[in-house]
Amino acid sequence: NAGVMQNPRHLVRRRGQEARLRCSPMKGHSHVYWYRQLPEEGLKFMVYLQKENIIDESGMPKERFSAEFPKEGPSILRIQQVVRGDSAAYFCASSPAASQETQYFGPGTRLLVL
Amino acid sequence: GESVGLHLPTLSVQEGDNSIINCAYSNSASDYFIWYKQESGKGPQFIIDIRSNMDKRQGQRVTVLLNKTVKHLSLQIAATQPGDSAVYFCAELNQAGTALIFGKGTTLSVSS
Repeated sequence: NAGVMQNPRHLVRRRGQEARLRCSPMKGHSHVYWYRQLPEEGLKFMVYLQKENIIDESGMPKERFSAEFPKEGPSILRIQQVVRGDSAAYFCASSPAASQETQYFGPGTRLLVL
Repeated sequence: GESVGLHLPTLSVQEGDNSIINCAYSNSASDYFIWYKQESGKGPQFIIDIRSNMDKRQGQRVTVLLNKTVKHLSLQIAATQPGDSAVYFCAELNQAGTALIFGKGTTLSVSS
């Protein structure tokens, strides 16, 4: 009974490069959420997706960030032209269709921008 | 706006003691609250949740109390163990029901 899977667990990028973070929800879950955590801080919501649809992207920066959850395959959080301020832990959570509130988190991807 | 906060950033207890971690929230219309435990280098782990139509809910060694009058949430851990050492976050579901709003966390340190 695998939980939420995220990869890579650690990602190092130089300024200006692209970062792609992947998330596979728990089996049977069709709702995916992305959060960002800065050091010593709580998690901040970024985006909520269902299959092929972005439901709420109110927490996404206006530029350089995008997310998708295709019909097949994992959800992708994409950061273009990364800057040092993008360095953080990015967590994905999922929930079953019938219970949107209880979100189960993956282990996170730690992004370091040099 | 919506915000969730915690009273204390750190809490140190002895093994076997009971721990109480507190959280204050600002949105009186909030309907759903969750406590998560986060160990170093890991993702948040669901502990227990509670809805606004309840005052108390118990799990295994944990109890969550909700006081809607003063907008206060607490997590009680009975017989705290070294394995309970972690950062604990309270979170509330936003009004749209689409996202969790997290507080900053309380670091619980358990010494044996």
